[in-house]
Amino acid sequence: KQEVTQIPAALSVPEGENLVLNCSFTDSAIYNLQWFRQDPGKGLTSLLLIQSSQREQTSGRLNASLDKSSGRSTLYIAASQPGDSATYLCAVDQGGSEKLVFGKGMKLTVNP
Amino acid sequence: DAGITQSPRHKVTETGTPVTLRCHQTENHRYMYWYRQDPGHGLRLIHYSYGVKDTDKGEVSDGYSVSRSKTEDFLLTLESATSSQTSVYFCAISESVSSGNTIYFGEGSWLTVV
Repeated sequence: KQEVTQIPAALSVPEGENLVLNCSFTDSAIYNLQWFRQDPGKGLTSLLLIQSSQREQTSGRLNASLDKSSGRSTLYIAASQPGDSATYLCAVDQGGSEKLVFGKGMKLTVNP
Repeated sequence: DAGITQSPRHKVTETGTPVTLRCHQTENHRYMYWYRQDPGHGLRLIHYSYGVKDTDKGEVSDGYSVSRSKTEDFLLTLESATSSQTSVYFCAISESVSSGNTIYFGEGSWLTVV
């Protein structure tokens, strides 16, 4: 059974820091990994999707990498801002199925 | 924002009563999903649909049924609500996550079973 872990569960940093968020998964037979952002009381917004044949994806200040063989992904946030405060979740598919498995998320607080 | 509308957004119901949550999309995406989100468990897939009248179970399908009679609508029914079904329910749509397509989420439906 696929399991996805995000450690730590929460992180508080001053504005301007470069951040690395971690995601690990137990079964490397994935097709894709996605990173999401969730604001309080809202739904999830997709940030980046990395296909298993790719090693990284970039969007603005965000960069996500994937090491499928070791079961790890990192989300790098450059020059963090208070507006980046949210919960960040990663998710993987189960062997190419439509069934995404989510981590429990990491709550990020960026202090001005 | 992806055209996903969930209704109702908030509901309080009594144990043992039936409850139906509705998800409506305007994007004509093939796949629709229902997830629940709970503290300590994260998001878990309940059911999903890959076409009209085509559905499959997710990780936590017991106590739930779904129906999709039109491409744009996906209904989640709790036949007899229990307190353990108090949760936030999210509908999502995609052309196919396994094919590398983005998944879009609705704003959520808060359900309290008392």
